[in-house]
Amino acid sequence: DADVTQTPRNRITKTGKRIMLECSQTKGHDRMYWYRQDPGLGLRLIYYSFDVKDINKGEISDGYSVSRQAQAKFSLSLESAIPNQTALYFCATSAAGAIDTQYFGPGTRLTVL
Amino acid sequence: GENVEQHPSTLSVQEGDSAVIKCTYSDSASNYFPWYKQELGKRPQLIIDIRSNVGEKKDQRIAVTLNKTAKHFSLHITETQPEDSAVYFCAASKGTGGFKTIFGAGTRLFVKA
Repeated sequence: DADVTQTPRNRITKTGKRIMLECSQTKGHDRMYWYRQDPGLGLRLIYYSFDVKDINKGEISDGYSVSRQAQAKFSLSLESAIPNQTALYFCATSAAGAIDTQYFGPGTRLTVL
Repeated sequence: GENVEQHPSTLSVQEGDSAVIKCTYSDSASNYFPWYKQELGKRPQLIIDIRSNVGEKKDQRIAVTLNKTAKHFSLHITETQPEDSAVYFCAASKGTGGFKTIFGAGTRLFVKA
């Protein structure tokens, strides 16, 4: 779904580095999410935002921070990357309302050495 | 907290057979139940969903059933084909302020030709 884009698509970094992953959407959705996917663990929610002034922690927010710069942009930062943050990261969006269908970006594969 | 359990974690079927994936949820206020398919190296995408006021929904070879009393819902794929091979995620959410979608851990389906 080209309406949700993520940059970079792949990133290799070293322990202790600060990393930012960016997400943009043209769907006009108010809600945006960051998930982490590890093998066998499914999708775990890191942070979510229901509008520009709203930021909420998910189940695994430690070591991460986010910024909602605009309705269309939601970035995820790893303050000081560590190897166990090596994972596939997905951004997603959904429209406000009772039907919370989520539209995922293509994912960012992050490797922390 | 809210939880969605998904079984089995891996499922292998012969082409043409049926496949069934089951999920249970803990929050009785959940009222929207989407299923996502994630092909290898791709993003999760919605394949079918059901709302709590409906007991069953069908779309060609896939169907979803919901038992609100037992708090479980299932995905049924009939006449499986090799292109059905993927990871399938169930999810549950409720359409009120402050909600978020809870995902199951995923089922890896293999369809053998």
